[in-house]
Amino acid sequence: DTEVTQTPKHLVMGMTNKKSLKCEQHMGHRAMYWYKQKAKKPPELMFVYSYEKLSINESVPSRFSPECPNSSLLNLHLHALQPEDSALYLCASSQDLGNAYEQYFGPGTRLTVT
Amino acid sequence: SQQGEEDPQALSIQEGENATMNCSYKTSINNLQWYRQNSGRGLVHLILIRSNEREKHSGRLRVTLDTSKKSSSLLITASRAADTASYFCATDVNYGQNFVFGPGTRLSALP
Repeated sequence: DTEVTQTPKHLVMGMTNKKSLKCEQHMGHRAMYWYKQKAKKPPELMFVYSYEKLSINESVPSRFSPECPNSSLLNLHLHALQPEDSALYLCASSQDLGNAYEQYFGPGTRLTVT
Repeated sequence: SQQGEEDPQALSIQEGENATMNCSYKTSINNLQWYRQNSGRGLVHLILIRSNEREKHSGRLRVTLDTSKKSSSLLITASRAADTASYFCATDVNYGQNFVFGPGTRLSALP
């Protein structure tokens, strides 16, 4: 199974809402990633988890809160978002941390903040 | 900071033609990867080339790496309509801990 799944596929939320994005992989990968992608732009790295510990936080605002409950799951908790946070949120995993490993991407969650 | 830059930003070709996309980067790398993204979907890994390699092939894909010029190219031969997508190169940052994507080339292979 070389699939990364993400739920939900689409999410519309108000600026006062709290919601969570979920990501799951069953490839035994030890590194997992959250990216944000705006239209016609490349994905921008947000967070990296390695062996279930937060390894990289690319200065992401605290209204985004990542969580890695176990080696297969990655969550992104959202609270008090702004309209400019509307984007495609991509989850990815790789065998281990580092650029020597290819990343497997999920289909993304299309987030709209109203 | 952005490491890789793709050229051209957009490319339109006819099916059957070859498509070449280039990626330039600023600092030394250990590895360079190419990814494809169909509209609004997740990215798919195409090829990884290491800094000590000059060329790699995978099916209709050919990737070259010139570390002296800090550049890489992706050649898609005999393109198909299904090749229509955005193509991104990804280069090392943070001492190879992760990589950063270039702005991408949007390829349209017209039937």
